[in-house]
Order: sequence, then C-alpha cells, then structure tokens
Amino acid sequence: DAKTTQPPSMDCAEGRAANLPCNHSTISGNEYVYWYRQIHSQGPQYIIHGLKNNETNEMASLIITEDRKSSTLILPHATLRDTAVYYCIVRSNNAGNMLTFGGGTRLMVKP
Amino acid sequence: DTGVSQNPRHKITKRGQNVTFRCDPISEHNRLYWYRQTLGQGPEFLTYFQNEAQLEKSRLLSDRFSAERPKGSFSTLEIQRTEQGDSAMYLCAIGQGGLNYGYTFGSGTRLTVV
Repeated sequence: DAKTTQPPSMDCAEGRAANLPCNHSTISGNEYVYWYRQIHSQGPQYIIHGLKNNETNEMASLIITEDRKSSTLILPHATLRDTAVYYCIVRSNNAGNMLTFGGGTRLMVKP
Repeated sequence: DTGVSQNPRHKITKRGQNVTFRCDPISEHNRLYWYRQTLGQGPEFLTYFQNEAQLEKSRLLSDRFSAERPKGSFSTLEIQRTEQGDSAMYLCAIGQGGLNYGYTFGSGTRLTVV
C-alpha cells in the first residue's frame, strides 16, 4: 500500500478554511485517496475520496495534484465541531480493499 | 446513528476472562471489517468478512481472537483469556466491495482489561 505523510497537528481559526495536506508520492494509478476523520471517542467518519479529479461534497473539497503525489482536504468554513484527527489514506486494490490508517493530522479549530 | 451499532460501548474485564463484542449493521452490506485502535494510534485492521466467509486475518489476530458472521448480517468478536495488551477500542465497519465505496464505521467498543 502507498504510504501517506501528514503533519501531526494543525490549528485553524473558526470560520476560516482549513487546508490539510497529504503526501502520497508512491501512489499507483489505480489507487484512490480517501479522507476520514475521527472525533474523540467516536468511530472514523468518511469525508470524501477521489482518484484523479478534484471532488467536492457537502462536507469538504479534495484537491489532488496532477501527478497525484499529494492532495489537500479543504474544510471551507471550519467550526469548533470540526476539531478531530483527519486521516489521509491511499486505498489499494488488495483482496479486501481494506483501509490502512496512519497517524493522521490532529486539527484544532480555535474560537 | 452511524448505520452500525456496536455493543457494549464499554467493557471492563479482569485479565484472563473472556469477552465478546457484537456488531449489528442497520442495513445489509456484503463486507464487514473489524479494526482495533489503541490510544493515540490510528485504527489497525484485524479481519474482514465477505458475507459469511472470513476472508482475511491480520497477524494482530492471535489465536485468542475469533470472529464470526453466522448469517452474513451481524458479527461477533470474541477474545479469550484477555491480557492487558488487549485494552483498546474495537471498531466494526461495513461496506461494499470495490475501491470506489467508503466504509461506515460504528462507534466502537472500548475494552479495558484490569
């Protein structure tokens, strides 16, 4: 599985955009980039995923570079409830299609 | 409501006792996954089912661990002769096959072995 690198922690002011980077320089052509987040004491929550094109949904936007070696998750207007650990995952086409989590980025949204 | 119900939410047990956790998906999904998460770490894959069949087990799943999914719906995870190192959050997730579908995780069962 392609390995991902994320900063261990980030701060963001409430109401501002939160931009969370992820490096995945060894990604293969058929591997998807997934983002999950985990709020304290809860299970991981799916946010968004993409293969090549930028994606947007009601929660966030995902920007994937043209060479696919890095991506950025954008929360357009961060709220205090967005404080969580954010995991960037490259999902391989192995038999179980399981998600392999790294350490993630702890995002702290401050008033 | 995440679409996956896990019970109990918390379990405290004495070392050496057996424990069983249950995962109940609200809707049918052919794949069911178990993960374990220790404090400060990301979730780690334990095992997964395709319908009733257990298809893969992680090296983390020692012979004290057993998982079942008897009718392809709910699943149980049993730990025999618990050890303090088994203390963790045990997470269940459901999904469809294929890379273009995300999983839905339950809220987990937090196990503390004393």
